[in-house]
Amino acid sequence: GENVEQHPSTLSVQEGDSAVIKCTYSDSASNYFPWYKQELGKGPQLIIDIRSNVGEKKDQRIAVTLNKTAKHFSLHITETQPEDSAVYFCAASKGTGGFKTIFGAGTRLFVKA
Amino acid sequence: DAGVIQSPRHEVTEMGQEVTLRCKLISGHNSLFWYRQTMMRGLELLIYFNNNVPIDDSGMPEDRFSAKMPNASFSTLKIQPSEPRDSAVYFCASRETINQPQHFGDGTRLSIL
Repeated sequence: GENVEQHPSTLSVQEGDSAVIKCTYSDSASNYFPWYKQELGKGPQLIIDIRSNVGEKKDQRIAVTLNKTAKHFSLHITETQPEDSAVYFCAASKGTGGFKTIFGAGTRLFVKA
Repeated sequence: DAGVIQSPRHEVTEMGQEVTLRCKLISGHNSLFWYRQTMMRGLELLIYFNNNVPIDDSGMPEDRFSAKMPNASFSTLKIQPSEPRDSAVYFCASRETINQPQHFGDGTRLSIL
């Protein structure tokens, strides 16, 4: 069945360093890949997304890359700050097959000041 | 835009009682998702609706769980009778159309004693 694998499950970095979270998906028909950030006591919130017709997208300190051939996509956070500490989820969806979004298991990011 | 609104934010009740969780979608959104989040199992999709019609309820754990959309802007998730293992944070999310991001509420933290 459809699956999204996310690594690592936990990531600890020093403030100012970069953080990279990687995901792979199983369904080659997937064409939309959002990333969510979940802070304590809150629901996941969209931080960036990418569609299958684009290989890379950047928004200030956050960037996402997509390799359709390998079915990989990654989140890159540069110049990390303590407020980046949260749980991050990748997800994959497609426009057919019931419109369901498949989420990864999440990465808990700690940014040490 | 008020966002997705869930109520109550916290619910503590004794096992065997009926629990009703409520969700108000963002105006104009036509898809509604119910999720359950626990430390052990992560974010699990329970059921989702498209245009008020249940599309996939394969994630609903048991017949004790039921969900409805009486109109285009409101949904309920009911557990009857509740059990301690139902304790979790329950999120609803709405989406404008396919391959658009889901917008999550801040969840209902449910504790069954």
